[in-house]
Parts: sequence; C-alpha cells; structure tokens
Amino acid sequence: KQEVTQIPAALSVPEGENLVLNCSFTDSAIYNLQWFRQDPGKGLTSLLLIQSSQREQTSGRLNASLDKSSGRSTLYIAASQPGDSATYLCAGTTSGTYKYIFGTGTRLKVLA
Amino acid sequence: DTAVSQTPKYLVTQMGNDKSIKCEQNLGHDTMYWYKQDSKKFLKIMFSYNNKELIINETVPNRFSPKSPDKAHLNLHINSLELGDSAVYFCASSYGTGNTGELFFGEGSRLTVL
Repeated sequence: KQEVTQIPAALSVPEGENLVLNCSFTDSAIYNLQWFRQDPGKGLTSLLLIQSSQREQTSGRLNASLDKSSGRSTLYIAASQPGDSATYLCAGTTSGTYKYIFGTGTRLKVLA
Repeated sequence: DTAVSQTPKYLVTQMGNDKSIKCEQNLGHDTMYWYKQDSKKFLKIMFSYNNKELIINETVPNRFSPKSPDKAHLNLHINSLELGDSAVYFCASSYGTGNTGELFFGEGSRLTVL
C-alpha cells in the first residue's frame, strides 16, 4: 500500500529564503507526480506536474524534481515571499493505478 | 469561468439525514474523482469515474453513493449521515484514465454533521 510522507510537517522562514520541501513514497514506482498548494479554507491549486517521462519541472520560482530510484521528490522555492504561505501537498500515481495518493502536507509560513 | 465547481460550499445537517453534493467540470475531462479531507487535512480518494463508469471505489461505507450522469458531472449522495462524516469533500477531474492526467480540484464542500 502506497504511503507518502512529507518532511518537514511545518516550516517557518523569513522572507527571501530559498527552501526545499520533501516528499517520499514507500513504493518508488511512481508514474506521475504533482505538487499542489492549498490556502486555508480553499481548494487545491496545481503547481507542477512531473509526468512519467520527465524528472523535473519548473515554473517561475518553483522547481520540482523526482528521483524514481528512491521514490523521492523535492519542491524548491526560490526567494520565498509571504504570499507563498500555504500548505503544500505532493501526490503521485503508480503504474497501473488510476489514483493519486496524497502526502501528509507541509505547512509553510513565510514571515515578512 | 470556474473549471471545477461544487455545490453547496457549506452543508450543516443533523445526524441521520441524507444529503447530496454536486460537481461539474467544464474542462472537457473524462475522469472525475471524489476526495475526502479529514480534520487533520489528510486527503483520501473515495471514488473515480471515467466516462460515467466507476473505476475506483475505495473502502467507503455504502451510505456513500456516487452518480455520474455524464462525463462532466459527478454527484455524491450520503445517506444516514454520521458525526464522522464531517469533513471537506473535494471533487477533482483529469484528462484520461490511468496515469495520464493532471488533477484539477474544486473549492470543496464542507460538511458538518451535528
């Protein structure tokens, strides 16, 4: 049974710092991997999708990578801003399944 | 235009009642999902439909019954509500079955059972 752990569970940083969020899958045979952010009381917003043939995706200040040999993904946020404060969730599918399994989330607070 | 929309956004009801949540997507996707987010913010899949056909049915009490009248709509009906059903229910959609799709979520429906 696939389980997904995100470390750290919570993080508080001053504005301007570069930071790394981690996501680890018990089953490393990941097909697609997606990173989301969730603001309080809101739905999930897709940030980056790494598809089966890819290992990395970038969008603005965000960069996500996936190491399929270890089943680990990292989300790198450059020059963090208070507006980045949210919960970040990773989710992945494994080959042959139809479902994204979600991680436990990292609550990020960026202080002005 | 909202891509994945759910109604209602908030539901407060008594134990034992029956309630429904509706979801519609205008993205042209053929796969839709229901996820449940508990009080600890953990998201767990409940059901998935592809072109009106049920393809994922997790271990969910049979008081929960999804219905997909067409590929743009997926509704969730809950019978005999219990306190433990209180949660936020999210609808999502993607293009393609299996492992092809990027997930898009609705804003969620917060259900409170008293």
